[in-house]
Amino acid sequence: QQPVQSPQAVILREGEDAVINCSSSKALYSVHWYRQKHGEAPVFLMILLKGGEQKGHDKISASFNEKKQQSSLYLTASQLSYSGTYFCGTKKTSYDKVIFGPGTSLSVIP
Amino acid sequence: KAGVTQTPRYLIKTRGQQVTLSCSPISGHRSVSWYQQTPGQGLQFLFEYFSETQRNKGNFPGRFSGRQFSNSRSEMNVSTLELGDSALYLCASSLRLAVSTGELFFGEGSRLTVL
Repeated sequence: QQPVQSPQAVILREGEDAVINCSSSKALYSVHWYRQKHGEAPVFLMILLKGGEQKGHDKISASFNEKKQQSSLYLTASQLSYSGTYFCGTKKTSYDKVIFGPGTSLSVIP
Repeated sequence: KAGVTQTPRYLIKTRGQQVTLSCSPISGHRSVSWYQQTPGQGLQFLFEYFSETQRNKGNFPGRFSGRQFSNSRSEMNVSTLELGDSALYLCASSLRLAVSTGELFFGEGSRLTVL
């Protein structure tokens, strides 16, 4: 079952923060975040495992609340390069396929 | 090292025809997954192969099929094409089937247009 993402789209000015949420009705083993820029292939951002800690690199971080089957991606002090569509993917077990949500379109404007 | 290579990049077919798409994973990667991407639907999972065996399958009709060869290269085939099959088909490779890092490396996709 496809995870739900919110919001569907968001427009930010450079330097503003954003949060993208991902939720599932099923118990999850892991949550995966990818970003796809227009006309390009999706690129891996990070993975959060059940029982794992919050992760992050640079100004992008994420958390995973395994009790609520929810994950959030935090983008702080956004840059123009953050523009793109963000997908969360979920796996129910380690051997499961990755099922992606519909994506969140993020546009950062000067 | 070379990334995931998909061919052809663009193709146009007519309804009722069939199409075969090819994916060469990153050297050393043994797992290949296929996704269909359409506007508004995101990435829909088609199938996943590991060591020439289909390990997972999505909810697509039997017209969609795939296979993986001993060198880990993969092909997917769509028979009796319908207008709704127009999409970007993405292939992704990963090192192993179940990996804690779980990173998928995507190709740039094959854009199929069905007229």
